[in-house]
Amino acid sequence: QVQLQESGPGLVKPSETLSLSCTVSGGSMSGYHWGWMRQPPGKGLECIGYLYYAGNTGSTVYNPSLKSRVTISLDTSKNQFSLRLTSVTAADTAVYYCGRHEFGVGLDTWGQGTLVTVSS
Amino acid sequence: DIQMTQSPSTLPASVEDRVTITCRASQSINSWLAWYQQKPGKAPKLLISKASSLQSGVPSRFSGSGSGTEFTLTISSLQPDDFATYYCQQYSTLWTFGQGTKVEI
Repeated sequence: QVQLQESGPGLVKPSETLSLSCTVSGGSMSGYHWGWMRQPPGKGLECIGYLYYAGNTGSTVYNPSLKSRVTISLDTSKNQFSLRLTSVTAADTAVYYCGRHEFGVGLDTWGQGTLVTVSS
Repeated sequence: DIQMTQSPSTLPASVEDRVTITCRASQSINSWLAWYQQKPGKAPKLLISKASSLQSGVPSRFSGSGSGTEFTLTISSLQPDDFATYYCQQYSTLWTFGQGTKVEI
């Protein structure tokens, strides 16, 4: 059974870069979409972006409202995918989730989530 | 961007009630819609995919319907474990979530 685990700093200073990784265990990364979502405290879910990986090819899609600040990348040697969000502000404070999206199905596997606070 | 509008935002209910949550898309998404349940401090859990396909292990009291722009999630007889927040998500173009419906006592 596939499991996902987010890792990274829980505190980031304003204007700096938020970096998180998601480690995939128990299954292959090929043939799925791998995404990042976030949820500000007490609020709803927002998709940050996702990538699709199939063999040697991959493609990324980003939320237009975050596109200028976001990079999602893949490291198949480590079975990981990562999120970079630049120039963060307090509005980026949220629980960040990674997830696996099966084509035609939805986000069938989620990480437990990690709280990232933007504060000086 | 495709916007998803859920209603109601809060749904007071009692055990054994039949409850219905609605999700509307700003444009047609065919049946590319999923429903999730989220409990406090936990990640969302996928309940229904492709608008009406119940995920393995999800109780049969949950059902989904709709296509195009209007969708519903129905819980036929609410159980104590079902008090949670429910989200719809379209995956036709990008991924967009509804704002959530909190089912509370």
